[in-house]
Amino acid sequence: AQSVAQPEDQVNVAEGNPLTVKCTYSVSGNPYLFWYVQYPNRGLQFLLKYITGDNLVKGSYGFEAEFNKSQTSFHLKKPSALVSDSALYFCAVRDATNAGKSTFGDGTTLTVKP
Amino acid sequence: DAGITQSPRHKVTETGTPVTLRCHQTENHRYMYWYRQDPGHGLRLIHYSYGVKDTDKGEVSDGYSVSRSKTEDFLLTLESATSSQTSVYFCAISGAGEPQHFGDGTRLSIL
Repeated sequence: AQSVAQPEDQVNVAEGNPLTVKCTYSVSGNPYLFWYVQYPNRGLQFLLKYITGDNLVKGSYGFEAEFNKSQTSFHLKKPSALVSDSALYFCAVRDATNAGKSTFGDGTTLTVKP
Repeated sequence: DAGITQSPRHKVTETGTPVTLRCHQTENHRYMYWYRQDPGHGLRLIHYSYGVKDTDKGEVSDGYSVSRSKTEDFLLTLESATSSQTSVYFCAISGAGEPQHFGDGTRLSIL
């Protein structure tokens, strides 16, 4: 079985400050990890992924995420938040042996205030 | 956006009626998925397909059926809609090991 936890329903940061959105996961095999963003009335958009290799993954719009195997975490980060980053963020995990099926967290609403 | 379209985008229907949602892709991806999104529950997998006529259940499959007779089309059917199936439904596509690309959703209201 595979699962994802996003412990914070809401994250609030001031524009220009760094942001972190937390994600922890559980899989029986090696994980494929993903972050997605959702804007109102739209589908989810892919931000970045970890499959293998460097633990620090860089993605779209200046976002990055750090894979930590010992803590089973994959936190999303950005050095300087923008108001336009305000959205709903989802972490997802897929077991590397299960090519098709991902499990999504419940989502974290990020609000960046001017 | 990846070539994925959902239809209809909005639908209002009555309890007990059949409803079919369509997902169409132009990317020739192997995998297709149907999710529902509800407040407090995130995104939950209903059914997915790993090839033509190859489908499997997700975590909330009761009351739903799917069909995939062509690579590009994945249909979700509610045989007899209930109010608990009021939700926003998303289709997604992906290649093996690749991230999913999502449609813009179908907002379904069952009265």
